[in-house]
Amino acid sequence: KQEVTQIPAALSVPEGENLVLNCSFTDSAIYNLQWFRQDPGKGLTSLLLIQSSQREQTSGRLNASLDKSSGRSTLYIAASQPGDSATYLCAVKSYNTDKLIFGTGTRLQVFP
Amino acid sequence: GAGVSQSPRYKVAKRGQDVALRCDPISGHVSLFWYQQALGQGPEFLTYFQNEAQLDKSGLPSDRFFAERPEGSVSTLKIQRTQQEDSAVYLCATKKLLAGLTQYFGPGTRLLVL
Repeated sequence: KQEVTQIPAALSVPEGENLVLNCSFTDSAIYNLQWFRQDPGKGLTSLLLIQSSQREQTSGRLNASLDKSSGRSTLYIAASQPGDSATYLCAVKSYNTDKLIFGTGTRLQVFP
Repeated sequence: GAGVSQSPRYKVAKRGQDVALRCDPISGHVSLFWYQQALGQGPEFLTYFQNEAQLDKSGLPSDRFFAERPEGSVSTLKIQRTQQEDSAVYLCATKKLLAGLTQYFGPGTRLLVL
């Protein structure tokens, strides 16, 4: 059974810091991995999607890497801003199913 | 509409009451998913539709939970005889059929069972 773990559970940093959020999964036979952002009281917004054949994806100040063999992904946030404060979730999709398996999330607070 | 919409946004139910949660998908999105998110946890899969066909209901926690999508568009998640442990945010997500594409999530319905 696929299990997804995220560390740290919570992170509080001053504005301007570069951050690394970690995600690990137990079954390396994944189709893709996604990073989502969730703001309080709102749904999830997809940030980056990495296919199993890819090693990384970049969007603006965000960079996500994938090491499928070791069951790990990292989300790198450069020059963090207060507007980045949210919960970040990673999710994996396996072959033969469209459902996503989520981690428990990292709650990020960036203070001015 | 431009995105996935869900109603109601908030629902307070007395224990034992039946509730119905609605999801309106993005037009043209064939696949529809329901997830349950407990406080401080990540979303957990409940069930999945492709058009009107329910292809996977392995995540439904008990036979009190029932989902339908009769015309392949709007979906309803029904919970009978609600219990306190049913309190959670219920998220609906939809996507186009092609594998590997992202799911688009609605804002969720926050259910509180007293």
